[in-house]
Amino acid sequence: DAGVTQSPTHLIKTRGQHVTLRCSPISGHKSVSWYQQVLGQGPQFIFQYYEKEERGRGNFPDRFSARQFPNYSSELNVNALLLGDSALYLCASQGSGVLSYGYTFGSGTRLTVV
Amino acid sequence: AQTVTQSQPEMSVQEAETVTLSCTYDTSENNYYLFWYKQPPSRQMILVIRQEAYKQQNATENRFSVNFQKAAKSFSLKISDSQLGDTAMYFCAFVEAAGNKLTFGGGTRVLVKP
Repeated sequence: DAGVTQSPTHLIKTRGQHVTLRCSPISGHKSVSWYQQVLGQGPQFIFQYYEKEERGRGNFPDRFSARQFPNYSSELNVNALLLGDSALYLCASQGSGVLSYGYTFGSGTRLTVV
Repeated sequence: AQTVTQSQPEMSVQEAETVTLSCTYDTSENNYYLFWYKQPPSRQMILVIRQEAYKQQNATENRFSVNFQKAAKSFSLKISDSQLGDTAMYFCAFVEAAGNKLTFGGGTRVLVKP
């Protein structure tokens, strides 16, 4: 059974460009969350989607947006990239029901903005 | 707003010995869940152990155990019989029972020495 898959694994972008990151949750999981992890820090919550609806948003500017598709995969979009957007972007999926089992994370996308 | 604090940036331990990682959190909620995640150089966040706030009994998973002190808002992780493969960043995380986001601490780097 495949885990949470993210693509691409690495990418380099130039300031001002746009980027799209993709995530496929574990089969049967309907909730996807996105986190930003700057080097040397803990992950910060960006978005949560459940059944294609936004259920939560962290303290990030409007340059960050996301959506969830009917197959529960998700995209994170970042416009007008800044150097400070360089980070590891993690996607997490969660099945319905027992929250206490936590979230399953993918291996992340390493974004470098130059 | 909830906060999670890990006061030890780095810990080293000899193989086969025991190490304890500290975590404190701040919340006004009564129902929540706490987690310890491990992040090796492969970058993927791996769930180590979880604790439901309504349970008084401390969680245990093989060599990993927690000391949950609800009144003190403390949630420490003990790694017994440390192995070289335990070398990683360890993050403490919190989520409200009715919440939608994980709040992470800043992490503790654990180095297991042979």
